[in-house]
Amino acid sequence: GENVEQHPSTLSVQEGDSAVIKCTYSDSASNYFPWYKQELGKRPQLIIDIRSNVGEKKDQRIAVTLNKTAKHFSLHITETQPEDSAVYFCAAGGGKLIFGQGTELSVKP
Amino acid sequence: GAGVSQTPSNKVTEKGKYVELRCDPISGHTALYWYRQSLGQGPEFLIYFQGTGAADDSGLPNDRFFAVRPEGSVSTLKIQRTERGDSAVYLCASSLMGQDNSPLHFGNGTRLTVT
Repeated sequence: GENVEQHPSTLSVQEGDSAVIKCTYSDSASNYFPWYKQELGKRPQLIIDIRSNVGEKKDQRIAVTLNKTAKHFSLHITETQPEDSAVYFCAAGGGKLIFGQGTELSVKP
Repeated sequence: GAGVSQTPSNKVTEKGKYVELRCDPISGHTALYWYRQSLGQGPEFLIYFQGTGAADDSGLPNDRFFAVRPEGSVSTLKIQRTERGDSAVYLCASSLMGQDNSPLHFGNGTRLTVT
């Protein structure tokens, strides 16, 4: 069945550094790739998404890149801040979305 | 406007009992999704509706799980003969269209505990 692998499972960075989270997916029919941020005890919230007709998208400190040939996509956060600390999930699909296992990001002041 | 509303927020039940979890999507959203999230894991897909019909129910783990959306708005996830392994947060999400990959908006979830 469809599968999304996400790495790393935990990531610790110093405030101001960059953070990169990578995902691979198995279903070549996937055409939508959102990223969600989930704080402890809260609902997942969309932070950025990309569709398969685009290779890269940026929104302020957050960017996502997509390589459809290799079936992988990445989240890049620059100038990290302590409030970026949370669990981040990638997802892939078209209609139905399959989520990765999450990356716990810790930004140390 | 109101977001996705899920009730109850917490449910404790005994093994073997039947439970119903309710989801009220954002008004006008035609697609509705159910996911299950265990501690430290990503949301696990269960089922998604496009209007009143289940567009994909391939994630339902077994025939104890069933979901309905009779009028294309509110949805109910029904679990029969609950087991301790069913304990998790059940998340509902809705999106404007679904098939055009519009973003999913999640509710706060129902935390189900089976004792």
